[in-house]
Amino acid sequence: AAGVIQSPRHLIKEKRETATLKCYPIPRHDTVYWYQQGPGQDPQFLISFYEKMQSDKGSIPDRFSAQQFSDYHSELNMSSLELGDSALYFCASSFLLGTGSYEQYFGPGTRLTVT
Amino acid sequence: TQLLEQSPQFLSIQEGENLTVYCNSSSVFSSLQWYRQEPGEGPVLLVTVVTGGEVKKLKRLTFQFGDARKDSSLHITAAQPGDTGLYLCAGYRSGTYKYIFGTGTRLKVLA
Repeated sequence: AAGVIQSPRHLIKEKRETATLKCYPIPRHDTVYWYQQGPGQDPQFLISFYEKMQSDKGSIPDRFSAQQFSDYHSELNMSSLELGDSALYFCASSFLLGTGSYEQYFGPGTRLTVT
Repeated sequence: TQLLEQSPQFLSIQEGENLTVYCNSSSVFSSLQWYRQEPGEGPVLLVTVVTGGEVKKLKRLTFQFGDARKDSSLHITAAQPGDTGLYLCAGYRSGTYKYIFGTGTRLKVLA
């Protein structure tokens, strides 16, 4: 079965640089989520898109932006990178269950290291 | 404020023992999911529970959703070293487009 695809898997950037992370959701999933997970922490919700429109926003810094394109892939753009941005970044996608709830699947993540 | 509290946070047990992980909230969720995560990898979905009082079984894992849909539990029977990992619960509330994650339970099963 198709899974969520993320690229790149690893990224090393210097402070104040810009990074772009890409996510390709599972086909026919209508919602995409971005999470940040620091060492020893649970995933922190950043932002979500439903049918290409921003649907909810979490603790996403103003330096970060995201969008979902017509082919449903999503990109997380991170500017003026700081050392504290070093983390695992996950993309997830979900579909609506017949019960009215969603079922969410995660990608393998992008490990961002800021030096 | 963490909306979903998991307990225990850490658990180290011997192979063959049973264990239960709890996920509690004061909020009602329309569904709740359990994940297992290995270091450096994405969380893997184990189960989704939707109906209050629902019980689902996945081999040696039993998941239960509370009657009021505010809490859930994960019970592992005869734990094996392969069960080692971080277990996360995540609740979804209608009208939002995000999941609230629990604080996580780090399980280590010793051979």
